Amino acid sequence: EIVLTQSPATLSLSPGDRATLSCRASQSVSTFLAWYQQRPGQAPRLLIYDASNRATDIPARFSGTGSGTDFTLTISSLEPEDFAVYYCQQRSSWPPITFGQGTRLEIK
Amino acid sequence: EVQLVESGGGGVRPGGSLRLSCAASGFTFDDYGMSWVRQVPGKGLEWVSGINWKGGARYYADSVKGRFTVSRDNAKNSLYLQMNSLRVEDTALYYCARGLGAAAGEYFEHWGQGTLVTVSS
Repeated sequence: EIVLTQSPATLSLSPGDRATLSCRASQSVSTFLAWYQQRPGQAPRLLIYDASNRATDIPARFSGTGSGTDFTLTISSLEPEDFAVYYCQQRSSWPPITFGQGTRLEIK
Repeated sequence: EVQLVESGGGGVRPGGSLRLSCAASGFTFDDYGMSWVRQVPGKGLEWVSGINWKGGARYYADSVKGRFTVSRDNAKNSLYLQMNSLRVEDTALYYCARGLGAAAGEYFEHWGQGTLVTVSS
């Protein structure tokens, strides 16, 4: 099973700041990695798939990079609605499909 | 508009059974793989099971293998999860999720709002 480790666990930033979230895989997942956003009380929302492709209707301030074992989600300028929990997910070697434990992005 | 509406959750004793349903609309159901993903309230996401567009390929997490069965009825635009021998650790919000493509192991482009399963004595 591929384990995904996200860091930091919590990130405290202000609106307008740049956010950088990390996801590290226990073995290579090539670029078969996605990022999701989950706001309180809501279902997750797909942001990025195949490491760097934005999903439909996702704003350009969200971008993803990486391959192999190290991946980054960057939010270029935080909007108030961006404060949420973010998860990475791999589909390179499955079953099982696995998720990271999440990064909580909170307002500083 | 894509809609996924789960139902069938509730309270059950350990060892009991439940059948979850997911009613899909707003897209051609048999073009897409579907999955169940669960989340203990306040905790992270756990993939449970996936099924391809035709229903011929089904996959399970080790934690539910042999106890849960995923199925779909393309004529009814519906996805199901039969859960038997339920355990306390199966307590979670269960989401139905549509894949990006036809395979069982896709990224999850659309999600329902979830149905809560509580297993308690």
